[in-house]
Amino acid sequence: GAGVSQSPSNKVTEKGKDVELRCDPISGHTALYWYRQSLGQGLEFLIYFQGNSAPDKSGLPSDRFSAERTGGSVSTLTIQRTQQEDSAVYLCASSWTHRIHYEQYFGPGTRLTVT
Amino acid sequence: QKEVEQDPGPLSVPEGAIVSLNCTYSNSAFQYFMWYRQYSRKGPELLMYTYSSGNKEDGRFTAQVDKSSKYISLFIRDSQPSDSATYLCAHRARSGGSNYKLTFGKGTLLTVNP
Repeated sequence: GAGVSQSPSNKVTEKGKDVELRCDPISGHTALYWYRQSLGQGLEFLIYFQGNSAPDKSGLPSDRFSAERTGGSVSTLTIQRTQQEDSAVYLCASSWTHRIHYEQYFGPGTRLTVT
Repeated sequence: QKEVEQDPGPLSVPEGAIVSLNCTYSNSAFQYFMWYRQYSRKGPELLMYTYSSGNKEDGRFTAQVDKSSKYISLFIRDSQPSDSATYLCAHRARSGGSNYKLTFGKGTLLTVNP
């Protein structure tokens, strides 16, 4: 079946602009995660959605970052007033509820470059 | 001290070699351990998962956990060029409100030369 999809695959933006990154999880997956992967760094947790529960936003690095998940499916990560340090690959992952503890399916990521 | 330490490499080996990849961790709450494989320009994919000390084998791959030393390893036997990728170790706590959170190492870049 279809895996996790993300769009765009690449995004180049000027410093100060807003960007929106989209994630389509695997159908039926209730859990959705956003991670950031910077050069030479591991995956950094950003935010977690589970069903209709309030999201865990504890990993968002600043109030310029926000995310929403509509209808328990598609999610959008928004970065306002982008800075050069926001340049990274943004990965989305989804999981079944009973396997959230270890099995996350990742999308290919969106490579964001802020010039 | 970072919660998870992983040598970034790069590691280059000839085809057929046995590869050993390692991570150390400091958080005693970590009880579940995973290895993810990430090909270039792709998202990570789960390779192996274990929650107990000892060895777990899956084909050419063996995951080893030593909780007393807080040390985990991934061994690849008869390595193939298709194994060339970045390998990420990941851990999570056993229970608690945030047991869905995985803590990842920075990854080790492996190249298997034909």
